[in-house]
Amino acid sequence: AQSVAQPEDQVNVAEGNPLTVKCTYSVSGNPYLFWYVQYPNRGLQFLLKYITGDNLVKGSYGFEAEFNKSQTSFHLKKPSALVSDSALYFCAVTNYGQNFVFGPGTRLSVLP
Amino acid sequence: GAVVSQHPSRVICKSGTSVKIECRSLDFQATTMFWYRQFPKQSLMLMATSNEGSKATYEQGVEKDKFLINHASLTLSTLTVTSAHPEDSSFYICSARDIELAAYNEQFFGPGTRLTVL
Repeated sequence: AQSVAQPEDQVNVAEGNPLTVKCTYSVSGNPYLFWYVQYPNRGLQFLLKYITGDNLVKGSYGFEAEFNKSQTSFHLKKPSALVSDSALYFCAVTNYGQNFVFGPGTRLSVLP
Repeated sequence: GAVVSQHPSRVICKSGTSVKIECRSLDFQATTMFWYRQFPKQSLMLMATSNEGSKATYEQGVEKDKFLINHASLTLSTLTVTSAHPEDSSFYICSARDIELAAYNEQFFGPGTRLTVL
């Protein structure tokens, strides 16, 4: 069975500092990995995905993530956080013929 | 591209009434649409998967007679919450899968519908 863990419920970071939101997964076969961001009372906004190819994936709003097969991780990163990055972040995994499985979410607070 | 809309964005209804939520893929064809439910400060829970022209597949614990799903075309799926009760109050999010991207299972998400049952 597929599963996603986001070990931190909450991440706090000062504006201008680098941020990391962690995600580990379990899936049989090759994973397809996604990151989404959700602002209050809004749907999910796509940030980036890993399907195949280069392990470092660059996405929207300056975010990037690195696929690490040996550690089964797909951590989300940004070199310099903005206050406007404060939101709820979801990691999701799927593979061929399977439904999406979402992680529990991590609330990111960027402090001015 | 790959835009999914939901209507309404917010609805308030009285207990016992039925509410219909529409999910549309605006610029692509979606053989499969998904309905999720999200409680405050929680992750998305898949309720059902709907395939165009066939009956929806419901996840365990989801009452199919209460949450009626219709997927009559490649661009429209509807979720009807029948005889709504306050415990049905939630944020409902739909997503759609593009036929051409189906191999990667990528889903495109709607903006969500906030349902409040008084």
